Amino acid sequence: AQSVTQLDSQVPVFEEAPVELRCNYSSSVSVYLFWYVQYPNQGLQLLLKYLSGSTLVKGINGFEAEFNKSQTSFHLRKPSVHISDTAEYFCAVSDGGGSNYKLTFGKGTLLTVNP
Amino acid sequence: SQTIHQWPATLVQPVGSPLSLECTVEGTSNPNLYWYRQAAGRGLQLLFYSVGIGQISSEVPQNLSASRPQDRQFILSSKKLLLSDSGFYLCAWSTHPGGPAEAFFGQGTRLTVV
Repeated sequence: AQSVTQLDSQVPVFEEAPVELRCNYSSSVSVYLFWYVQYPNQGLQLLLKYLSGSTLVKGINGFEAEFNKSQTSFHLRKPSVHISDTAEYFCAVSDGGGSNYKLTFGKGTLLTVNP
Repeated sequence: SQTIHQWPATLVQPVGSPLSLECTVEGTSNPNLYWYRQAAGRGLQLLFYSVGIGQISSEVPQNLSASRPQDRQFILSSKKLLLSDSGFYLCAWSTHPGGPAEAFFGQGTRLTVV
């Protein structure tokens, strides 16, 4: 069975500061990894994904994440955040097996960017 | 391009009343379809998924059911709502089969059971 742990439920930062949102996963097989962002009362939007290849993945809005197989981590980073980045961020894993490729989500990290 | 429609956006229902939430996908065929529920601080809980018409898998035993009467239509139902059914319900679709499950989400339905 696969699972995802987002280590911080809330992360407050000041505008233009760097940020890292942490995500660890467990899975018995090879995985695909995703980060989604959710703005209030909206659905989830894909930020970036790791399927294979380079372990450093770049996404939208200046975010990037690094897949670390030995540490089973997929942390999300941004060098300089904006007020508009305030949202909830979800890490998700899919084990790539079977015929349905279910996504398992973490509990989310609320990023609050303060002026 | 593919789009997903989910309605209504908000719903207030009394305890014991029935529920029907509908989700439709356009621009793709034979998608995987999913219903998730989101409660504050608890992430997204997968309720049901479907890999084809009439094929429904339940992840969590509960007061809800799902149906897929057409290839791109997914319905979440309840005969009698409970207070604990309140939450934010999200429909999603992904490619099927053979591809990583990059899911695309609808805008969600905020259900309040009173």
